[in-house]
Amino acid sequence: EDQVTQSPEALRLQEGESSSLNCSYTVSGLRGLFWYRQDPGKGPEFLFTLYSAGEEKEKERLKATLTKKESFLHITAPKPEDSATYLCAVQEHSGGSNYKLTFGKGTLLTVNP
Amino acid sequence: NAGVTQTPKFQVLKTGQSMTLQCAQDMNHEYMSWYRQDPGMGLRLIHYSVGAGITDQGEVPNGYNVSRSTTEDFPLRLLSAAPSQTSVYFCASSYSGIAGGLRPYEQYFGPGTRLTVT
Repeated sequence: EDQVTQSPEALRLQEGESSSLNCSYTVSGLRGLFWYRQDPGKGPEFLFTLYSAGEEKEKERLKATLTKKESFLHITAPKPEDSATYLCAVQEHSGGSNYKLTFGKGTLLTVNP
Repeated sequence: NAGVTQTPKFQVLKTGQSMTLQCAQDMNHEYMSWYRQDPGMGLRLIHYSVGAGITDQGEVPNGYNVSRSTTEDFPLRLLSAAPSQTSVYFCASSYSGIAGGLRPYEQYFGPGTRLTVT
């Protein structure tokens, strides 16, 4: 069973059409949940870190929220340049020095003009 | 700041060949790691290091070696390349914190190396 599940796998929006991406997780002790953006042929680019349920972070048209079981990435009035794959990753309390990120498979967002 | 740099950008190997993927960072990060990204799968951790001279295995370490002689560099060695190692490889780095204590720092990724093994 995957520890991090992202949905939908792909999302196509019209410019200006707001929507949300979902990331559900099943780790026992969450140290942090991370959102990254990945453009084709590039490395993941850091967007947000969320640490505890109820926390929210915003950046331009993006807003990330966190509950005890899932996180949402809300995209308000998206533009074509928001098209990318959005990755969610979690870091667990492991008691050691492994800062491993467990990634979901990503949501491919396409915003049409 | 160049951030995290990786070389080469592309590489084609024949089965059985060996090679080293280079990774360097100029942010004085203690933690460095290698991930591989395959279609339909999330990024998976290969090896990681919490400082010079300290390395450990991640989720998929077989067929790969690492060493960390300086804070800046963390090379990944493929000992005898196999077609199953065809993938995109990403190096990442971050500050570290006391495990279970301080909040985790975000990890910064390099641009990746696309490796094909024939």
